[in-house]
Amino acid sequence: GDSVTQMEGPVTLSEEACLTINCTYTATGYPSLFWYVQYPGEGLQLLLKATKADDKGSNKGFEATYRKETTSFHLEKGSVQVSDSAVYFCALSDRGTGNQFYFGTGTSLTVIP
Amino acid sequence: DVKVTQSSRYLVKRTGEKVFLECVQDMDHENMFWYRQDPGLGLRLIYFSYDVKMKEKGDIPEGYSVSREKKERFSLILESASTNQTSMYLCASSLEGAHSYGYTFGSGTRLTVV
Repeated sequence: GDSVTQMEGPVTLSEEACLTINCTYTATGYPSLFWYVQYPGEGLQLLLKATKADDKGSNKGFEATYRKETTSFHLEKGSVQVSDSAVYFCALSDRGTGNQFYFGTGTSLTVIP
Repeated sequence: DVKVTQSSRYLVKRTGEKVFLECVQDMDHENMFWYRQDPGLGLRLIYFSYDVKMKEKGDIPEGYSVSREKKERFSLILESASTNQTSMYLCASSLEGAHSYGYTFGSGTRLTVV
């Protein structure tokens, strides 16, 4: 079945450091891929998405490229800020299985000044 | 922007009580979902609905039921609350083409059962 595996945390970085959070997936059909962010005490917010292979999603300085050959969708940011401290979830939605999403377990990021 | 509103941010209930968690969305989305979120376990799907009066079990439906009498409202019901249902509950909604647009989440309800 479909699934998402993402890098375990927690991750602690200094301000202005580079960030990579790994995400790989297994899907039987043609998935769309998403990154969601959850700030403390809040629900999840869509950060970026990519709906087909080689698409790059980007938002707020974050980027992720849908790589079918490696079944990956790694989240990257060149210079993190304290305000990026949150939990990040990778997710997929497979057209073949309707509208259901499959979420990774989340990666907690703390950025220290 | 689509808004998904959960009626309470924090709730404290006693064991054995019947608990209602309400979720309302304002953009005519067909699909609605209830998840619970626990440390180390990520998001787990409890129930979902693709249409009014329609419901489907998710991965962990035991101890829960749902109601969708109107398109914009999806209620989660804990028939007899237990301490192992202490959790963060997240409601989400989406258009029919969720694989293109994603889900929109509410802010969550943190439920404590004592």
